[in-house]
Amino acid sequence: NAGVTQTPKFQVLKTGQSMTLQCAQDMNHEYMSWYRQDPGMGLRLIHYSVGAGITDQGEVPNGYNVSRSTTEDFPLRLLSAAPSQTSVYFCASSYSTTAWDEQYFGPGTRLTVT
Amino acid sequence: KNQVEQSPQSLIILEGKNCTLQCNYTVSPFSNLRWYKQDTGRGPVSLTIMTFSENTKSNGRYTATLDADTKQSSLHITASQLSDSASYICVVSALGGNEKLTFGTGTRLTIIP
Repeated sequence: NAGVTQTPKFQVLKTGQSMTLQCAQDMNHEYMSWYRQDPGMGLRLIHYSVGAGITDQGEVPNGYNVSRSTTEDFPLRLLSAAPSQTSVYFCASSYSTTAWDEQYFGPGTRLTVT
Repeated sequence: KNQVEQSPQSLIILEGKNCTLQCNYTVSPFSNLRWYKQDTGRGPVSLTIMTFSENTKSNGRYTATLDADTKQSSLHITASQLSDSASYICVVSALGGNEKLTFGTGTRLTIIP
């Protein structure tokens, strides 16, 4: 199993540009989520999904969209990039939504917005 | 507001020495507490999970403790190795789903030969 994969690994955007961060998992996990990690702060939840076709907002959803058309994929879209979105983005998945299930994290995407 | 505080922010120790990392939390209602290891440039990986009724749990050279009364946890690393250099993140879950996690800011541990 490849686990959780993310692409790209690095990305530089100009203010106002849009892009999609890709996330895929091959573990047949129902729960998937997106986090951002900023210096001096803990990981913060952006959006999450409890199954195909079902998504919900996390703590910091503004400026981001998600969709879940398949169990495997959970892309994160930046609609109009802003410097405040410079961060490292992690996708994670777990077997179910229960907090007892370990979340498996991808390797991250480092995004810089200039 | 749920919070998780970790100390120290960073720590440097010699290879072979032991160390203890601290985690204090104010998360309610408490479900469980995990310690994650995050290598530079990688995603976090779970080391151990602790529930309300567990005081101590070991995973190789890693031993986690939990005091649910004082809302404190510690991660003790024995006989440190260079590969232990990483950030260690304490994550506390409130009752509910994985969307109710509160992450600490982590302790950056550096092992020097």
